[in-house]
Amino acid sequence: EIVLTQSPGTLSLSPGERATLSCRASQSVSSSYLAWYQQKPGQAPRLLIYGASSRATGIPDRFSGSGSGTDFTLTISRLEPEDFAVYYCQQYGSSPRITFGQGTRLEIK
Amino acid sequence: QVQLQESGPGLVKPSQTLSLTCTVSGGSISSGSYYWSWIRQPAGKGLEWIGRIYTSGSTNYNPSLKSRVTISVDTSKNQFSLKLSSVTAADTAVYYCAYGSGNFDYWGQGTLVTVSS
Repeated sequence: EIVLTQSPGTLSLSPGERATLSCRASQSVSSSYLAWYQQKPGQAPRLLIYGASSRATGIPDRFSGSGSGTDFTLTISRLEPEDFAVYYCQQYGSSPRITFGQGTRLEIK
Repeated sequence: QVQLQESGPGLVKPSQTLSLTCTVSGGSISSGSYYWSWIRQPAGKGLEWIGRIYTSGSTNYNPSLKSRVTISVDTSKNQFSLKLSSVTAADTAVYYCAYGSGNFDYWGQGTLVTVSS
């Protein structure tokens, strides 16, 4: 089983700042089958990034994903008030076991 | 755009079987090459993948739940279902249905299932 470890657990930033979220895998994630999701309270997660770096439909270009192998990053270039939420990474390369990271809470400073 | 809606009892007694259905609208469950999945989230905690069914009908389950899980599809109703047997309080969670080709493009709104006597 591939374990995903996200850091930091909580990130406190101000609107307009840049956010960098990390997701580290215990084994290499094949073919960059790594996705990122945003979840706001009371809502289902929303797909932001798939294939490590491809933005999902309708996702603003301030969100970007990068990385390969065991180290992946989600970057939000300039935080908007609506970006404060919990973010999860997910790997789907280790079939059939799909796993999620434990989440990073992005809060307003 | 495909939409998903979970339905089922919100309260299940310990040792019984949890049964949920996901109704798909805006597209056919049997078209394309997609996985139809169940995911759960205990209150205040992270996401746990339960399992999935492919458009061909083949299934994959989380090994930690495999002995208790069955996912099936009813193409005539455009629905897929989850059964989780021998539930305990640890199975209390919001249950989501979702679909995609590996990642989860679309999600239902989620339904809270509480296991309690």
